[in-house]
Amino acid sequence: GAGVSQSPSNKVTEKGKDVELRCDPISGHTALYWYRQRLGQGLEFLIYFQGNSAPDKSGLPSDRFSAERTGESVSTLTIQRTQQEDSAVYLCASSRQGFGGYTFGSGTRLTVV
Amino acid sequence: SQQGEEDPQALSIQEGENATMNCSYKTSINNLQWYRQNSGRGLVHLILIRSNEREKHSGRLRVTLDTSKKSSSLLITASRAADTASYFCATVASYNAGNMLTFGGGTRLMVKP
Repeated sequence: GAGVSQSPSNKVTEKGKDVELRCDPISGHTALYWYRQRLGQGLEFLIYFQGNSAPDKSGLPSDRFSAERTGESVSTLTIQRTQQEDSAVYLCASSRQGFGGYTFGSGTRLTVV
Repeated sequence: SQQGEEDPQALSIQEGENATMNCSYKTSINNLQWYRQNSGRGLVHLILIRSNEREKHSGRLRVTLDTSKKSSSLLITASRAADTASYFCATVASYNAGNMLTFGGGTRLMVKP
C-alpha cells in the first residue's frame, strides 16, 4: 500500500480482556517499530523488527505484551489481560532499511474501561 | 529513559515569527530525524540529518547538528498557524548499537494567527 495501515483505528475494551492490534507496513520495508504514546507524552519504544533478525523486545513493559511479524509484512501487537494503564495510542512505523526516515501509521487508540 | 530531550517543552509564538526547538541526546548516532505530529496520531517525517552533516534545509525548515555537543536544533522560519503541532526529534543509534530509533519528549508549538 501507499502508507502504513493500522487497525483498528479505535478500540474500547473491558479490563481483563485481550486485544490484538494490527500493522501493515509499506511493502519492502524491512524495519518495523511499535511505540506507545500516552496522552500528552512522548513516544515510548515497545518492540523493533529488522528483517529476519531476532526482534528487540526490550521495550515491552510486561509479559502481557507480545508482538509478532510475519516475514517482512504484517505485524500484530497483542496485549493480554488489559489494564487501565494500557490506555494509549499505539503507533506503528516502518522504514526501508532502518537507517532512513520512518513512515508512521495513524495509530490505534486503545481505551480500557 | 529517552535518548533525546527537547527544549522547550512548549512554545507559543505569533504567525510570521521564527520558532526554534532544541534536542539533546546521549549516545553516538548514525543520524537524527525530526517529526511532526498533529492531534496525537501518526507522525510525519520532516527531515533527516546524518552524523557527518552540520546543517540541512528543507523549505522553511533548517536543522543543525552538533555532534560534539550531542545536540540539534530545528528552526521553522516565517511560521504559520498551520505549523501548530508537536515536534519530536529522534535519533538512530550507530550500527554497533543496534540502530535503535529513539524519540525525545517533544515540543508543543502553538502559532497564533
